[in-house]
Amino acid sequence: DQQVKQNSPSLSVQEGRISILNCDYTNSMFDYFLWYKKYPAEGPTFLISISSIKDKNEDGRFTVFLNKSAKHLSLHIVPSQPGDSAVYFCAAKFNQGGSEKLVFGKGTKLTVNP
Amino acid sequence: DAGITQSPRHKVTETGTPVTLRCHQTENHRYMYWYRQDPGHGLRLIHYSYGVKDTDKGEVSDGYSVSRSKTEDFLLTLESATSSQTSVYFCAISTPLAGGFNEQFFGPGTRLTVL
Repeated sequence: DQQVKQNSPSLSVQEGRISILNCDYTNSMFDYFLWYKKYPAEGPTFLISISSIKDKNEDGRFTVFLNKSAKHLSLHIVPSQPGDSAVYFCAAKFNQGGSEKLVFGKGTKLTVNP
Repeated sequence: DAGITQSPRHKVTETGTPVTLRCHQTENHRYMYWYRQDPGHGLRLIHYSYGVKDTDKGEVSDGYSVSRSKTEDFLLTLESATSSQTSVYFCAISTPLAGGFNEQFFGPGTRLTVL
């Protein structure tokens, strides 16, 4: 059973426009949510996170919104740049037996066209 | 750069052979993780370690074992490689922050092909 879902495998936007990547989750015990960006042949890199007690976190061009009642979060990139083209993974953190674990979605491939 | 390296970066092996992948970190992080990434599956946790000689299973641990005899090294072993273990393997590190959260940092990955 997939606890973190990214239902859009791909997204294409024009440079300068907004990119919105979506993520849904099922487990109410998740206490942090994260977005990672991954370029081909590289490891994922951390982008931004949000605590479950917040509804918004902003860092430069990147903003993450959390809607707990809908179990939904989204990543907004404004304005989008060609260098943002990558696969974006949504992840959720939970604690089990005193250890922290992340559960990842399947990823959304973002293409920003010049 | 979080001081994390993986070796080898690429490996081709045959079914039934043992394979060991190494993750090395230089920043004394307590937690280390092994993930695999496959098309259509995202990143899935294989095993993790929360200290020297302290390890536990993740969601896809069958066919894999791990060892951590010192803080800086976390080894992933495929005792008898199968074609279903063809994947890209990522190591990650983190240090839990009391009352907060520290993200996991990922290594560059190892591409393993089992023929």
